[in-house]
Amino acid sequence: QLQLRESGPGLVKPSETLSLICTVSGGPMSTKTYYWGWIRQSPAKGLEWIGSIDYSGSTFYKKSLRSRVTMSLDMSRNHLSLKLSDVTAADTAVYFCARSVWSVSWFDIWGQGTRVFVSS
Amino acid sequence: DIQMTQSPGSVSASVGDRVVITCRASQHISNWLAWYQQKPGQAPRLLIYSASTLQSGVPPRFSGSESGSEFTLTISSVQPDDFATYYCQQANSFPRTFGPGTKVEIK
Repeated sequence: QLQLRESGPGLVKPSETLSLICTVSGGPMSTKTYYWGWIRQSPAKGLEWIGSIDYSGSTFYKKSLRSRVTMSLDMSRNHLSLKLSDVTAADTAVYFCARSVWSVSWFDIWGQGTRVFVSS
Repeated sequence: DIQMTQSPGSVSASVGDRVVITCRASQHISNWLAWYQQKPGQAPRLLIYSASTLQSGVPPRFSGSESGSEFTLTISSVQPDDFATYYCQQANSFPRTFGPGTKVEIK
């Protein structure tokens, strides 16, 4: 059974870059039908899709975040990574990684989430 | 961006009640809609996709339907494990967007 687990610093200073890793276990990441996404959740914005990436590295970013977001895959380590630059307090949220199948559609497997605070 | 709305914002129900949650999209999304259940401190759990297809392992008391631009999640007989917040999500257009949630509470 595929499992996802997010990791990263729980506190990031304003204007710095938030970096998170999602480790995939219980199966390969490299299946062509899998798409890997990041979703965050905050009281202010609810659930917000940040972007997704496919096995080839093609990315699909939310337009309003595109200038600050970078997603990548490391198949050898079964890792998915998220970098969000120039963070502000508005980026404080619980960040989830999740899988969708066949396209960037619905998310059938989720990590447990990691809470990130942006504060000096 | 496609805006998703849900009603009601919250509903109080007793075990055994039928609960109906509605989701509407600001634009046509065909049947590109999913429903999730989320409990405090947990990730969302996919319940239904393609508006009406039950995800594997989800109890059949959950069902989804579509009528024009209105989507409905029905819990036919609410069980204690069902008290949670429910979200809809559209997958027709980028960016993918979620509804604000409907909290199902114990009466």
